Amino acid sequence: AQTVTQSQPEMSVQEAETVTLSCTYDTSESNYYLFWYKQPPSRQMILVIRQEAYKQQNATENRFSVNFQKAAKSFSLKISDSQLGDTAMYFCAFSHNTDKLIFGTGTRLQVFP
Amino acid sequence: GAVVSQHPSWVICKSGTSVKIECRSLDFQATTMFWYRQFPKQSLMLMATSNEGSKATYEQGVEKDKFLINHASLTLSTLTVTSAHPEDSSFYICSARDGAERQHFGDGTRLSIL
Repeated sequence: AQTVTQSQPEMSVQEAETVTLSCTYDTSESNYYLFWYKQPPSRQMILVIRQEAYKQQNATENRFSVNFQKAAKSFSLKISDSQLGDTAMYFCAFSHNTDKLIFGTGTRLQVFP
Repeated sequence: GAVVSQHPSWVICKSGTSVKIECRSLDFQATTMFWYRQFPKQSLMLMATSNEGSKATYEQGVEKDKFLINHASLTLSTLTVTSAHPEDSSFYICSARDGAERQHFGDGTRLSIL
């Protein structure tokens, strides 16, 4: 069975600084997808970034980038130039062949002015 | 594009009543929709996979007679919590998968059973 682990329950960062959120996963599949979702207090799930396992190049979306280490089964999220609006819960998620999503336990990120 | 509407956003009802939650894909067709449950300060847990025109696939430990899922069209899936009790109080979120295999989430439904 696939599992997703987020070992940081809470993180904080000062505005304009950079922060990295950790995620590891376990699977025996070779073809899969990894995601980072943001859930602000409104509780809406917002896709931040997506990575296909077969792609070696790390995905990037503006201030958000990932460090995908397939052999180590690691998928960390780096947020550059942090903004107050980045304050939210961040969930790492796994999907095999675009099937159901398996979520980690989440990391609560607080951005301070 | 790719908007998913979930209704109602918040419902409070008495113990023993049944509650229906709707999940609609507004601008795309969704053969597959997913229903998740989230307890306070916890992660999302998949309850079931809803397939248009066929029976839903439930995750282990989820009572199919308790949580009825109907996916009668390519744009609508419903989750009915039957004979709801206080322990069913939670945040329920649906997602719909589009033709590009991407999942789009609704805004969720906060269910409170008194």
